[in-house]
Amino acid sequence: GAVVSQHPSRVICKSGTSVKIECRSLDFQATTMFWYRQFPKQSLMLMATSNEGSKATYEQGVEKDKFLINHASLTLSTLTVTSAHPEDSSFYICSARELAGDVYEQYFGPGTRLTVT
Amino acid sequence: GQNIDQPTEMTATEGAIVQINCTYQTSGFNGLFWYQQHAGEAPTFLSYNVLDGLEEKGRFSSFLSRSKGYSYLLLKELQMKDSASYLCAVSDSNYQLIWGAGTKLIIKP
Repeated sequence: GAVVSQHPSRVICKSGTSVKIECRSLDFQATTMFWYRQFPKQSLMLMATSNEGSKATYEQGVEKDKFLINHASLTLSTLTVTSAHPEDSSFYICSARELAGDVYEQYFGPGTRLTVT
Repeated sequence: GQNIDQPTEMTATEGAIVQINCTYQTSGFNGLFWYQQHAGEAPTFLSYNVLDGLEEKGRFSSFLSRSKGYSYLLLKELQMKDSASYLCAVSDSNYQLIWGAGTKLIIKP
C-alpha cells in the first residue's frame, strides 16, 4: 500500500523557537495533503488542507501565521510551527490523499510528537 | 452541522465479539471509514464502505446503512492486541474526512 512518512518523529524545542515537520508521500503523488493535531485522549482535529502549488485552507480557529504550511510538490508538504509555546505541544499527523479509480484513498503518516518546554 | 457519534469506551473479553456503532449526519456522503489507533500512534486504515451492506475482512467486518446514517465495526475472536481506539470517519461532499471522537476498546483476558 501507499506509504506516507513524517520527519521528525519526535521533537523537543524551547518556547519561542520554530519547528518544521516534513510529510512525504513515498510511492504516490498526493495532490492534497492534510495536517491534523491530536491532543491526548481526543480525536484528530483537522488543522488545514493543502493542495500542491496553492495556499493552504485553514480550519476555523487555526492561526495561519503560526502554522505555516508549504505544499511545494506532489510528494512533500511541510508544517512549520512558528514561535512555539507549551500549549502547542501535541501529536501532529499528516495525511496524503490519492485518487484510486473512483475512490479517494487517504493515508496517514506516523505522526510527530512535539513537546515545547 | 456535521456530527459523528460513537461510544466513548467499550470493554470486551478476549475471544469474544464486539460491535462498535457509529451514527453520522454530514453534508454529503462519499464513504465511511474505520480506523484503528493505538496509543501514541497514527491511525491505520481498517475498512471503507460506500454502499449499503456488510464488508468482511478477516476478523473485522464493517456495515453501512446510508438511509439510517449508521455504521458498525464488528470485531470477532478478540485478541489483546485489539485494545485500541477505533475511529469512525465520514467523507463529506468535499471529500473531507469528518471524524468521530473514537471508541476506546478495552480487551480483558
